[in-house]
Amino acid sequence: GEDVEQSLFLSVREGDSSVINCTYTDSSSTYLYWYKQEPGAGLQLLTYIFSNMDMKQDQRLTVLLNKKDKHLSLRIADTQTGDSAIYFCAESPPLYGGATNKLIFGTGTLLAVQP
Amino acid sequence: EAGVAQSPRYKIIEKRQSVAFWCNPISGHATLYWYQQILGQGPKLLIQFQNNGVVDDSQLPKDRFSAERLKGVDSTLKIQPAKLEDSAVYLCASSLFTSGKSYEQYFGPGTRLTVT
Repeated sequence: GEDVEQSLFLSVREGDSSVINCTYTDSSSTYLYWYKQEPGAGLQLLTYIFSNMDMKQDQRLTVLLNKKDKHLSLRIADTQTGDSAIYFCAESPPLYGGATNKLIFGTGTLLAVQP
Repeated sequence: EAGVAQSPRYKIIEKRQSVAFWCNPISGHATLYWYQQILGQGPKLLIQFQNNGVVDDSQLPKDRFSAERLKGVDSTLKIQPAKLEDSAVYLCASSLFTSGKSYEQYFGPGTRLTVT
């Protein structure tokens, strides 16, 4: 099936690290993504990782990929109140011989940052 | 660079009425997507265009939903007749590349549809 799973809610204190977890379904997905959605806004791509990588770091963001367990995580260092949003992981399975690159999103994790 | 534009931002209709949404992708982006995001869920792809051709419409409820992308630029998504379960945010996205390459899908702000 096409179920990308995430925990629904995470609460952290400002300045702490946040870790958002995701389990995806298709081991042949070439790219895996993290998107951020603020209230009333569209989705913003935060970062992505190629499937042959284990880790990617981009400023305060660290993505870890465990292909064996099909587990993806996003770590946000020094979390700020402005990081409060819904975070979606997404996979892009190579369907239809590669002719489509639709994103399959998880249910989203609401990150609440307490001052 | 201008982003993906969508209109209207909000729409309230009664069930069995029809509604249309409009999307203008980023200039030069050949690929355009329509996603449906029901409250509390992640977006789900409805249809993907490559230029003005349909690449994937496997999850589009074709008995009531239709979409077109004339001239390979702007796109419209129509629902006729609407049902209560169509209440959702409809997101349009565009990207430069398609399969085989890393790409970014740039999302518009969405149209929030409420069906009463």
